[in-house]
Amino acid sequence: GIQVEQSPPDLILQEGANSTLRCNFSDSVNNLQWFHQNPWGQLINLFYIPSGTKQNGRLSATTVATERYSLLYISSSQTTDSGVYFCAGYMDSNYQLIWGAGTKLIIKP
Amino acid sequence: DVKVTQSSRYLVKRTGEKVFLECVQDMDHENMFWYRQDPGLGLRLIYFSYDVKMKEKGDIPEGYSVSREKKERFSLILESASTNQTSMYLCASTYLNRGEQFFGPGTRLTVL
Repeated sequence: GIQVEQSPPDLILQEGANSTLRCNFSDSVNNLQWFHQNPWGQLINLFYIPSGTKQNGRLSATTVATERYSLLYISSSQTTDSGVYFCAGYMDSNYQLIWGAGTKLIIKP
Repeated sequence: DVKVTQSSRYLVKRTGEKVFLECVQDMDHENMFWYRQDPGLGLRLIYFSYDVKMKEKGDIPEGYSVSREKKERFSLILESASTNQTSMYLCASTYLNRGEQFFGPGTRLTVL
């Protein structure tokens, strides 16, 4: 089955709004990461978060490993937050990252 | 700050040409990766390397080869480019096994 699942697939918000993106992952996936892919295609690291909560400015993330999910919070959205957000985790005993399909976020001015 | 650089942002090649994509990281990372990204298919791993001169196939190695002669440099080679290799190619590196991966800016390759 699907090992990393992201929701929602698309999200359109007005500037200033808050949002929560979700990543569910199977029990064979761990060491989760969140990325932002900007309109030019660059993948930018947001968080490496196997468990717990981390914050970086307007962004924060929480991974509850025992319940197999992670959440990415974006507060006071700006147009520059637009793009695709991916979560990805490693398969057990493997170098390979397994990717979610992404959440496409559009922030309107 | 970790820096991963790729040799070109945009590249246009003809069918049958040999194509080299280069990736360099400046953080003494052990592991390096090549992915391609296509609409609707997400990121797919082509090859990775966990040490100099060592390589492992990913999910879609057909039509590609790689070279890692120095720790900081990982090259992707298209021996005979085909139109179905038109894609965005992304390089990544990580210090630890299963550690945080850092990506280069990507190369948009078009094969005509």
